[in-house]
Amino acid sequence: DADVTQTPRNRITKTGKRIMLECSQTKGHDRMYWYRQDPGLGLRLIYYSFDVKDINKGEISDGYSVSRQAQAKFSLSLESAIPNQTALYFCATSDNRQGALADTQYFGPGTRLTVL
Amino acid sequence: DQQVKQNSPSLSVQEGRISILNCDYTNSMFDYFLWYKKYPAEGPTFLISISSIKDKNEDGRFTVFLNKSAKHLSLHIVPSQPGDSAVYFCAASSHDYKLSFGAGTTVTVRA
Repeated sequence: DADVTQTPRNRITKTGKRIMLECSQTKGHDRMYWYRQDPGLGLRLIYYSFDVKDINKGEISDGYSVSRQAQAKFSLSLESAIPNQTALYFCATSDNRQGALADTQYFGPGTRLTVL
Repeated sequence: DQQVKQNSPSLSVQEGRISILNCDYTNSMFDYFLWYKKYPAEGPTFLISISSIKDKNEDGRFTVFLNKSAKHLSLHIVPSQPGDSAVYFCAASSHDYKLSFGAGTTVTVRA
């Protein structure tokens, strides 16, 4: 079984709709992240959370919100989707107990979102 | 402005030969560097990393070299195999538990 899972894997929606992408992990990690990938731009950080009560904006948080429901769950919402939010979205986790390796992140399989 | 740059979008190499992927960074606070590999329809997977206290780290066929004065790192894959065909992302951290990624290099290994 995958350690980091994302649902849905694919989603097509229309402009103006509210969308939620979900991420669950069984790795027992405290830190969780949401990224989007666009061609030619690599992965860009949207939001991150270092524990259940901690939420931080990344470099491209406008138009997005998140919820950390539990240590294992971190959801990303698009309140009113627009076409330029069409992208691949990845959830990732990292382990605060790893010491020198604490920056290594482990990724889910991704959600392909298309906004028409 | 991207702080991590991979200036070669693609690389084609013959099976058995060496693949060399390059990465440059601008933030002098970065002190931990990682390479990730990504297949289509999958998430990136961690490949190899290096701390700024080292200039080389090796793991099997994969070696990462770090030149801090030039703010440059490279990934060498020797020998290249068909299963190495993927997108490779360079990433960097200043130990704030966040990663900055490059745009990726698509490697194609020809039989």
